[in-house]
Amino acid sequence: QLVLTQSPSASASPGASVKLTCTLSSGHSSYAIAWHQHQPEKGPRYLMKLNSDGSHNKGDGIPDRFSGSSSGAERYLTISRLQSEDEADYYCQTWGTGTVVFGGGTKLTVL
Amino acid sequence: EVQLVESGGGLVQPGGSLRLSCAASGFTFSTYWMTWVRQAPGKGLEWVANIKQDGSEKYYVDSVKGRFTISRDNAKNSLYLQMNSLKAEDTAVYYCARDGWELNYWGQGTLVTVSS
Repeated sequence: QLVLTQSPSASASPGASVKLTCTLSSGHSSYAIAWHQHQPEKGPRYLMKLNSDGSHNKGDGIPDRFSGSSSGAERYLTISRLQSEDEADYYCQTWGTGTVVFGGGTKLTVL
Repeated sequence: EVQLVESGGGLVQPGGSLRLSCAASGFTFSTYWMTWVRQAPGKGLEWVANIKQDGSEKYYVDSVKGRFTISRDNAKNSLYLQMNSLKAEDTAVYYCARDGWELNYWGQGTLVTVSS
């Protein structure tokens, strides 16, 4: 079964970096994923598509502070030089034949 | 500029029906799969359904199969979600998204509340 696992929460200080993790279920380590940012009272925002080899294509207007990387079944989103506006929920998402799957989301707090 | 604008949400009683619409602009609508995603209060994002460019393929999450129908009108650049036999657990903000898989643009959402 295609499942994505994320830690429920993360926190970091303004100006610091944070690395969020999304883990693909067993047997699905070759899958690409997408990362989305969801701020309160707004529609979600597509950040990037991240492939299993770590290559990624970012969405329109996404700052260079956002980057992705991969290792085995793990997919990472790194946000550098954190700003208060980065405080949001971050979801990884993938797809299979006839289905789309979201991770549970990570709530990022910028302290 | 890509824009997706949802409408049609509101308060409906259990067992009732509602039709959501999503007006698309800023891209060639007929060349993209389209998707509905929802978020229940206090919960994460949940995929609901998606539809191929010509409407010939449609997929649904198990919890809405037989009750919801996704459709599109390429001449009107519009996506729809017909929701029947609504349940309290269908209460959520419903978003439309471009593409069936990467979901690379999103709307602002429309709130559906199922309650007596």
